[in-house]
Amino acid sequence: QAVLTQTPSVSGAPGQRVTISCTGSSSNIGAGYDVHWYQQLPGTAPKVLIFGNSNRPSGVPDRFSGSKSGTSASLAITGLQAEDEADYYCQSYDPSLKIWMFGGGTKLRVL
Amino acid sequence: EEQLVESGGGLVQPGGSLKLSCAASAFTFNRSAIHWVRQAPGKGLEWVGHIRSKTRDYATGYAASVKGRFTISRDDSQNTAYLQMNSLKIEDTALYFCTRPQNGGFDPFWFDPWGQGTLVTVAS
Repeated sequence: QAVLTQTPSVSGAPGQRVTISCTGSSSNIGAGYDVHWYQQLPGTAPKVLIFGNSNRPSGVPDRFSGSKSGTSASLAITGLQAEDEADYYCQSYDPSLKIWMFGGGTKLRVL
Repeated sequence: EEQLVESGGGLVQPGGSLKLSCAASAFTFNRSAIHWVRQAPGKGLEWVGHIRSKTRDYATGYAASVKGRFTISRDDSQNTAYLQMNSLKIEDTALYFCTRPQNGGFDPFWFDPWGQGTLVTVAS
C-alpha cells in the first residue's frame, strides 16, 4: 500500500496543462525529504523526469516542472502532447518506516 | 552509459525459491548501492529492498512485505547484485527491476538508471 497518495488518473487535450499531485505526511515529505518524479511509458522501465522536487535531467523538456510545499508535491505538464500519455510516479523516503516510497501512480490520458 | 540488466525470472510454484541477478556496467559498481523495485501486473511501483556498498558494511534493508523471505547480496568482483527470493507467494508475482541511487545532494537519492526488468510469476 502506497504511503504517498496520487490521483489515479488525469486527462487533458493536446496543448492543455495538467497537474499531478503527490500527498505525503509530516513523517516524509513534510519532514523535508525531497520528491522525485518518474515517467513510465507503456512496456518500459520508469525514467526519472524530475529530481530534487523541481530539477529536470538533461533531455527532459521544460514543459515538465515540479514543486513541493508542506506535505505535498506536484508535477505540472504544459502543452500536452500525445507522447506524454504514460504513468507517472512520485518517490520519497519515510524514516519512520525506513522505506523508500512510491506513490500509487497516476495514469495520464491525452484526449 | 550506465546500464543495469536483470535476469533469472521465471515461473515458480508457491513456496518455491528463485534468485534474480542484476548485472551492472559503465559505473563504479563497488561504490554504489543497488535497490530492487517490483511492479505487479497492472499495478504501481513497490520498493523491495536495497544493499549498500562495502564502505557502508553492505547494509541491507527490506520492505515489510518481503522481510525474512528475500535476501539481497552482491559480488563486487562480478559487478552483480542478487535478489534471493524464498517462500514465494502468489502476490510476489511482478516485474522486478534493479536500479541505483544517484547522489545529487538530495535526500533521498533518486533512482537512475533502471534495468528492463525480469518477470517472476508465482503460480501452481
